[in-house]
Amino acid sequence: QSALTQPASVSGSPGQSITISCTGTSSDVGGYNYVSWYQHHPGKAPKLMIYDVTNRPSGVSNRFSGSKSGNTASLTISGLQAEDEADYYCGSYTSNSLGVFGGGTKLTVL
Amino acid sequence: EVQLVESGGGLVQPGGSLRLSCAASGFTFSNYWMSWVRQPPGKGLEWVANIKHDGSEKYYVDSVKGRFTISRDNAKNSLYLQMNSLRVEDTAMYFCARGHHGILYWGQGSLVTVSS
Repeated sequence: QSALTQPASVSGSPGQSITISCTGTSSDVGGYNYVSWYQHHPGKAPKLMIYDVTNRPSGVSNRFSGSKSGNTASLTISGLQAEDEADYYCGSYTSNSLGVFGGGTKLTVL
Repeated sequence: EVQLVESGGGLVQPGGSLRLSCAASGFTFSNYWMSWVRQPPGKGLEWVANIKHDGSEKYYVDSVKGRFTISRDNAKNSLYLQMNSLRVEDTAMYFCARGHHGILYWGQGSLVTVSS
């Protein structure tokens, strides 16, 4: 039940694109197409941005996209906006039938 | 409108117990897995436990096994987390969540503080 590995921080200027990686194992990220991404502002409930690796919930901007290769999943945000500044967590279903999150990535929009 | 409202958090001494509740509305509660997720102050999210639609399967993170019990009452549209033998490291905001992967709906959280 080790946390998935994410970079602690990423940054980008408005209009640029950034990618956040999420590395797990064959028992979680690599073994299932149940990777999700959450945007989190402190003190609020997390917001689902991507589910099942590539799918966006209704209402989420198409500037957000997800992908996976092997044991690593990625979240790409294109056309960065100031409002995108937040903490981002990946999550995955696991072979233990319990979910696991990454350690979180702080996105700073310069 | 889907709503998840947690209650029961508070300040408790190490070794003490607390029971969190989550009142669900706006969807057919008995059709969904449910989860508890927590976030310690200044740290990341951690999946604590989940429970199948009918309560027949329950799973826990290793750090709470034997101390926490997740349960549900489908007749009352409610989810529970009984927390015993609480430790300082259990201090966190506890979120009720619908589903067991790809969580779309979350409660606003209930703060549990374990301190002497």
